[in-house]
Amino acid sequence: AQTVTQSQPEMSVQEAETVTLSCTYDTSENNYYLFWYKQPPSRQMILVIRQEAYKQQNATENRFSVNFQKAAKSFSLKISDSQLGDTAMYFCAFSKAAGNKLTFGGGTRVLVKP
Amino acid sequence: NAGVTQTPKFRVLKTGQSMTLLCAQDMNHEYMYWYRQDPGMGLRLIHYSVGEGTTAKGEVPDGYNVSRLKKQNFLLGLESAAPSQTSVYFCASSHWTPGNPYGYTFGSGTRLTVV
Repeated sequence: AQTVTQSQPEMSVQEAETVTLSCTYDTSENNYYLFWYKQPPSRQMILVIRQEAYKQQNATENRFSVNFQKAAKSFSLKISDSQLGDTAMYFCAFSKAAGNKLTFGGGTRVLVKP
Repeated sequence: NAGVTQTPKFRVLKTGQSMTLLCAQDMNHEYMYWYRQDPGMGLRLIHYSVGEGTTAKGEVPDGYNVSRLKKQNFLLGLESAAPSQTSVYFCASSHWTPGNPYGYTFGSGTRLTVV
């Protein structure tokens, strides 16, 4: 079974600064998909960014980028130019096939301070 | 609006009572999932379905049953509620196509309290 570990329960960052969230996973699959989801206080699950394991290029979405290290099974999220609206829980998730069930990490709470 | 709709949004049950949570999606998605989220934790998979008439157990299935009689609906049942089932329940759906292989859509959640 796949496992996803987020080792940082909580992170704080000053507005406009950069924060990096860690995620490691364990799988025997060669091809799979990785995701970062944002969950604000509204509880809504919002897809931030996704990465296919077969792609060597790291995914980017505006201020959000990932550092995907397949050999190390590491998938970190960098939030640049942090904004107050980035305050939320962030979950790393794994799927062994497109559209297949997601396995989530325990989450990292991010607090952006003005 | 297209998406995943969960009903009810809130519910308080007494220990031993039963209830059914309804998840409905209008996107013609094949896969549907039920997750639970406990305070300060990630989502854990309860049951899932890969198509109409099919269901499978996830990570934490005990105490729950599911049915997928219609493609658009996925029901989660609690036969005899226990305080340990106090949680927020999320439904999600997904559909794999070459053009959209990552299409997960989540409902807004149901907060269930068992007293």
